[in-house]
Amino acid sequence: NAGVTQTPKFRVLKTGQSMTLLCAQDMNHEYMYWYRQDPGMGLRLIHYSVGEGTTAKGEVPDGYNVSRLKKQNFLLGLESAAPSQTSVYFCASSYGPSRNTGELFFGEGSRLTVL
Amino acid sequence: AQRVTQPEKLLSVFKGAPVELKCNYSYSGSPELFWYVQYSRQRLQLLLRHISRESIKGFTADLNKGETSFHLKKPFAQEEDSAMYYCALSGLSGSARQLTFGSGTQLTVLP
Repeated sequence: NAGVTQTPKFRVLKTGQSMTLLCAQDMNHEYMYWYRQDPGMGLRLIHYSVGEGTTAKGEVPDGYNVSRLKKQNFLLGLESAAPSQTSVYFCASSYGPSRNTGELFFGEGSRLTVL
Repeated sequence: AQRVTQPEKLLSVFKGAPVELKCNYSYSGSPELFWYVQYSRQRLQLLLRHISRESIKGFTADLNKGETSFHLKKPFAQEEDSAMYYCALSGLSGSARQLTFGSGTQLTVLP
């Protein structure tokens, strides 16, 4: 049982390049989230999904797109990377409303640097 | 809108001393509050939630609705408590309950 797995763990991009971060969970969780972590700002929600085929915007969605084609996967895409997107990205998942205790299960993080 | 404030970015205490990490929140509904912890080289994990009123690793936190606070306390800090601590609030936003995090407090317990 791997929990929440993120790939890649590290990536360096040039401004304007595109990339996709993959998040996979094997806990059959309904909800999945993408956060970014920046010094002095904590974790901020980018996008989230309450089920397969659904996505919604969080606090800081601009410049990112997401897709949840399969229940276990949640992809975060950067179409044209900018230096302001240099950050550590965390994926998380949780149970749906029937079993939701509010606890999120996190991946190990993906460190992205945009030059 | 929901907001969580952790006023201290850094906090250092000596081993055996009491420690209190402050957390204040803003939310119009009935909040659910949590403390998450991130030890060095480990993933973020839940430490405790206010609704279960439990003590985990000697830490406790009491929800004070009058002061809109959820401070984390431990009477005798240990070196292994050194970590980044995040206070978080779960509130309804859109179609799901969303977890809003504070900016975090880096706790260092000195020998």
